Amino acid sequence: GNSVTQMEGPVTLSEEAFLTINCTYTATGYPSLFWYVQYPGEGLQLLLKATKADDKGSNKGFEATYRKETTSFHLEKGSVQVSDSAVYFCVLYNFNKFYFGSGTKLNVKP
Amino acid sequence: DGGITQSPKYLFRKEGQNVTLSCEQNLNHDAMYWYRQDPGQGLRLIYYSQIVNDFQKGDIAEGYSVSREKKESFPLTVTSAQKNPTAFYLCASSTRETQYFGPGTRLLVL
Repeated sequence: GNSVTQMEGPVTLSEEAFLTINCTYTATGYPSLFWYVQYPGEGLQLLLKATKADDKGSNKGFEATYRKETTSFHLEKGSVQVSDSAVYFCVLYNFNKFYFGSGTKLNVKP
Repeated sequence: DGGITQSPKYLFRKEGQNVTLSCEQNLNHDAMYWYRQDPGQGLRLIYYSQIVNDFQKGDIAEGYSVSREKKESFPLTVTSAQKNPTAFYLCASSTRETQYFGPGTRLLVL
């Protein structure tokens, strides 16, 4: 079947620290992978996506590489800011369906 | 500006009352979705519609109903049969593989 597993949070970092949020998946066929961000009290916003193996999605300093050999799509940012504090969701799309990870809360302290 | 709107932002329900949450999109997307999010939790699919005049139950459809009479609109009714309706409700629409979310409606029970 299809599923997404994210690292549990919360993740607490100091400003300018390096961020990694792990995401692994199980899927048949050729899924697409996404990261969404949710700020408090708001809807989800698309952060980045990758549609095939070895693609790298990037946006606002965040990056994630679609690794088929390790079935992973880890989110990284070199230097986080307080404004990056939010919940991050890893999402898989396969055969017309979306599968969500449970979300990882990031707290960035000044 | 293209996007997804949800109204109201906050909604209060009395015992035994049905309430309807609005979702409108002007992105010309065929597919639309309703999700429920409980505090600190991920998203759970309530209903989805791939095309006008057709919709399918998601994972937690009991106590909810929908209609899809127009491409732009996908209202969700929370019926009195839903015994624990307090949650954050998110509407989304999608192209073939990318979902876009509205800002959400928070439903509270009086």
